[in-house]
Amino acid sequence: DVVMTQSPDSLAVSLGERATINCRSSQSLLYTPNNKNYLAWYQQKPGQPPRLLIYSASIRQSGVPDRFTGSASGTDFTLTISSLEADDVGVYYCQHYYSRPPWTFGQGTRVEIK
Amino acid sequence: EVHLVESGGGLVKPGGSLTLSCVASGLTFSNAWMSWVRQAPGKGLEWVGRIKIRPLGMATDYAAPVSGRFTISRDDSRNTLYLQMSSLKVEDTAVYYCATEGYGPSLGAFEFWGQGARVTVSS
Repeated sequence: DVVMTQSPDSLAVSLGERATINCRSSQSLLYTPNNKNYLAWYQQKPGQPPRLLIYSASIRQSGVPDRFTGSASGTDFTLTISSLEADDVGVYYCQHYYSRPPWTFGQGTRVEIK
Repeated sequence: EVHLVESGGGLVKPGGSLTLSCVASGLTFSNAWMSWVRQAPGKGLEWVGRIKIRPLGMATDYAAPVSGRFTISRDDSRNTLYLQMSSLKVEDTAVYYCATEGYGPSLGAFEFWGQGARVTVSS
């Protein structure tokens, strides 16, 4: 199974500052026929279901603010919140969906306001 | 607007059974690959299993911890997804979410989620 490892487990960022969350997969998630990495990012606020933010490592889901950006380098993936807002507090998860199940998630990164 | 509404959660004893339902609206359910994802109290997300669409035989895949104990099915005429759980263990205690998978490059990413059904396995 593909193992997804996120870092850090938590981070505190000042309002308006940048937040960076990392995710590493134990194997490549690159589907070479379309050159896309099969990696998604989710945001989960307390008491709510997760919300899809990014898929294919860098494509924002409809309605997601452009302060959220996803990027990839080999088996390393990054979610960046360019200017943190209070509404961005929550737990963020990466998830692979490459090839065949089981789909696996990272352990989550908690983002809070400093 | 897509809505997914789970029901059927509750308290069950170890070794018992429970069936969850997820009613979908606002989408062509018969075209949607559907998954169940769970979240134990205070823990992260764990994919449980999925079911493909009818043209693909409604084939299912399961995570190892639930394989052989859980069964996913669907009734496209009722826009409903099911999760039959048997031989329940304390470690199956979680909020269970149904979720739709995307299409094309996002097939496998979970686009829409229900609010979840809480399952507690305890004696």
